Amino acid sequence: GAVVSQHPSRVICKSGTSVKIECRSLDFQATTMFWYRQFPKQSLMLMATSNEGSKATYEQGVEKDKFLINHASLTLSTLTVTSAHPEDSSFYICSVHRQDLEKLFFGSGTQLSVL
Amino acid sequence: QKEVEQDPGPLSVPEGAIVSLNCTYSNSAFQYFMWYRQYSRKGPELLMYTYSSGNKEDGRFTAQVDKSSKYISLFIRDSQPSDSATYLCAMRSSNTGKLIFGQGTTLQVKP
Repeated sequence: GAVVSQHPSRVICKSGTSVKIECRSLDFQATTMFWYRQFPKQSLMLMATSNEGSKATYEQGVEKDKFLINHASLTLSTLTVTSAHPEDSSFYICSVHRQDLEKLFFGSGTQLSVL
Repeated sequence: QKEVEQDPGPLSVPEGAIVSLNCTYSNSAFQYFMWYRQYSRKGPELLMYTYSSGNKEDGRFTAQVDKSSKYISLFIRDSQPSDSATYLCAMRSSNTGKLIFGQGTTLQVKP
């Protein structure tokens, strides 16, 4: 199966700063990656679909100017939380879809805490 | 109404018990059904994957899908303390990556 590496695992930052989270597909060239957000005791909510070489597709209610997604290569997608605020504190998880396996594999997640 | 409903629990059982976890859904177009296990502050790990209706067994885990009732289940036999985690059901309508998740059920297996 696909191995997905996500970095960093934990970030603590001051309000107003920007934070970049990286998601790498280690053994599979992924044209599509997905970014989810999970609040405590809540389910995973899809934020956006990251498309290699083109603009990301954002879910309704997700601010594309605040959550910048770049998918510059077939193995790397980045999510940048710009001008982070305490309400952005959450667990962010990326995933890679293996269509040949019909399965979705997740990264280990990034816990963002904005002070 | 949410597309996928899952009782968040928590569910507490003694070691060795049979655990039953369930989800209901409203979208009849869902065809792919999955169960993920998530430990605290970790990414979800795929446990079971089922296409359309039927049963699937893997070791101590059995997944059931009843599309007529829009109801899916995960059974864990001989539960172990290491099974203590949050279990998320997820489903989608086509072979794309856009999954809809349930809220997750927190399971605690006591020694």
